[in-house]
Amino acid sequence: ILNVEQSPQSLHVQEGDSTNFTCSFPSSNFYALHWYRWETAKSPEALFVMTLNGDEKKKGRISATLNTKEGYSYLYIKGSQPEDSATYLCAFNAGNNRKLIWGLGTSLAVNP
Amino acid sequence: ETGVTQTPRHLVMGMTNKKSLKCEQHLGHNAMYWYKQSAKKPLELMFVYNFKEQTENNSVPSRFSPECPNSSHLFLHLHTLQPEDSALYLCASSQQLGSTDTQYFGPGTRLTVL
Repeated sequence: ILNVEQSPQSLHVQEGDSTNFTCSFPSSNFYALHWYRWETAKSPEALFVMTLNGDEKKKGRISATLNTKEGYSYLYIKGSQPEDSATYLCAFNAGNNRKLIWGLGTSLAVNP
Repeated sequence: ETGVTQTPRHLVMGMTNKKSLKCEQHLGHNAMYWYKQSAKKPLELMFVYNFKEQTENNSVPSRFSPECPNSSHLFLHLHTLQPEDSALYLCASSQQLGSTDTQYFGPGTRLTVL
């Protein structure tokens, strides 16, 4: 059974703090790892698609790294802002044309 | 705006009712998906359509009936649902079915079954 774990489950930080969280996935049959950001009452929004071991992606203050050999990805937010408050989801793909396996997400709250 | 719209946003129905959820994508994508999101559970894939053909039914009970009349529209017909079917139902689309294809999501329909 393929399983994706995200930690921590929730996180509260102060505005300006930098933070990071983890997505763990099976290290065998890796094809792709997706990160999404989901604000309350809005649509989940794609952040990154990562495919190569050692890959690093960046979008503004948000960046992500990927280690396919040990089966984890980190998402970093530098200088958190209240508008970063959301649930951050990762999803693992074990093969082309296979379905995404989703984690439960990390809920981030940034206090002004 | 992600280019994927869903109606209605909220729906309350009794166990004997029949209702339909609608999804429309304006992105020219070929693949469309229905997901269920229940409290404290990860997103659960229900159905996948590719070029209007169903390619995946993830062991979904027959009280959920999908319909894809064209690549832009996806429906989920609901009948004789159970209270445990109360959840957020999300629609998504992607250009292709590939592992690196980004899925674009609608805002979801919050369904309550009484």
